[in-house]
Amino acid sequence: DADVTQTPRNRITKTGKRIMLECSQTKGHDRMYWYRQDPGLGLRLIYYSFDVKDINKGEISDGYSVSRQAQAKFSLSLESAIPNQTALYFCATSDPGLAGGLGNEQFFGPGTRLTVL
Amino acid sequence: AQSVTQLDSHVSVSEGTPVLLRCNYSSSYSPSLFWYVQHPNKGLQLLLKYTSAATLVKGINGFEAEFKKSETSFHLTKPSAHMSDAAEYFCVVSGEHGGSQGNLIFGKGTKLSVKP
Repeated sequence: DADVTQTPRNRITKTGKRIMLECSQTKGHDRMYWYRQDPGLGLRLIYYSFDVKDINKGEISDGYSVSRQAQAKFSLSLESAIPNQTALYFCATSDPGLAGGLGNEQFFGPGTRLTVL
Repeated sequence: AQSVTQLDSHVSVSEGTPVLLRCNYSSSYSPSLFWYVQHPNKGLQLLLKYTSAATLVKGINGFEAEFKKSETSFHLTKPSAHMSDAAEYFCVVSGEHGGSQGNLIFGKGTKLSVKP
């Protein structure tokens, strides 16, 4: 079973609709992240959470919100979707306590492809 | 602040020839550096990572990268390309405290094509 799962894997929606993307992990990591990927731009950070009570904005948080329901779950919401939010969205996790200085390695889910018409 | 520059957006090689994907970084801390690979319609997979141990890092599938502090580079190489290496590759930097926000900073990616 995958350690980091994302649902749905694909979603097509219309402008103005509210959308929620979900991420679950079985790695037991405290830190979770949401990124979006656009062609030619790499991955850009939307929000991140270092534990259940800690939520932080990333580079491109406008138009998005998040909820950390539990250590294992981190959801991304688009309150009113717009076409330029069409992208591939990735959830990731990390554990700062990993030995050997590897605590900043991140583990990625398979991605959610979102299309906003 | 940390940043990373991938010098080529697209690299094309023939099967069996060497691969070189170039990456330069900027960091005010001793950086951790990574290469991730993304095959078409797939998620990201870690290829290799540098965390201040050996400067020559070996990864999966025959890839390796050399950390050169004097050149602020972390180029990815493979002696002989295989068709299955065709993918997009991301160079990533994280500072001593995991970057300015505890996250990874991605380059814009290099798309590798492998010709038969």
